Amino acid sequence: AQSVTQLGSHVSVSEGALVLLRCNYSSSVPPYLFWYVQYPNQGLQLLLKYTTGATLVKGINGFEAEFKKSETSFHLTKPSAHMSDAAEYFCAVSQNTGTASKLTFGTGTRLQVTL
Amino acid sequence: DAGVIQSPRHEVTEMGQEVTLRCKPISGHDYLFWYRQTMMRGLELLIYFNNNVPIDDSGMPEDRFSAKMPNASFSTLKIQPSEPRDSAVYFCASAGFQETQYFGPGTRLLVL
Repeated sequence: AQSVTQLGSHVSVSEGALVLLRCNYSSSVPPYLFWYVQYPNQGLQLLLKYTTGATLVKGINGFEAEFKKSETSFHLTKPSAHMSDAAEYFCAVSQNTGTASKLTFGTGTRLQVTL
Repeated sequence: DAGVIQSPRHEVTEMGQEVTLRCKPISGHDYLFWYRQTMMRGLELLIYFNNNVPIDDSGMPEDRFSAKMPNASFSTLKIQPSEPRDSAVYFCASAGFQETQYFGPGTRLLVL
């Protein structure tokens, strides 16, 4: 069984400030971990993913996330927020089976960026 | 590549009517997933296919929902009869060997 917990359904930051979105996972097998972003009235777009190897993963739009096995975390960060980053962000986990499998999503975090 | 294509983008129907949602996955992808997104329940996986065969339909809410994938480039999700509580955004996603799921733009369904 696998699950994802995203702490904070809403996060507000000022433009230029650090963005930190928290994600903790539970998985009985080595996980694949993902962050997706959803802009209003659009589908989900992959930001970044961790499968194996380097634990610090860089994604699009300046985002990165670090896989910390000891903390079962995969927090998403960006050094400097931009107005265009306002969206909903979803953390997801799937089983590392070597083939595509079910994604279990967190409940999402809505990021607001203020001037 | 055009990405995952879904149609219609918006659907408004009356309770009791049949609704058919359509999805064209990315060419070459072996996996196809149907999700439902609501405010109350978030993103839920309904069913997924591998090589056109349904693998896991445990998320399908009830018998009113059915999904088919007659070939590698087309899938449908049907609701018959529809109910107001089926109102949601329905997403289709596809994936290839590298695991990453690519999502379509969604179909926003409103059942009156």
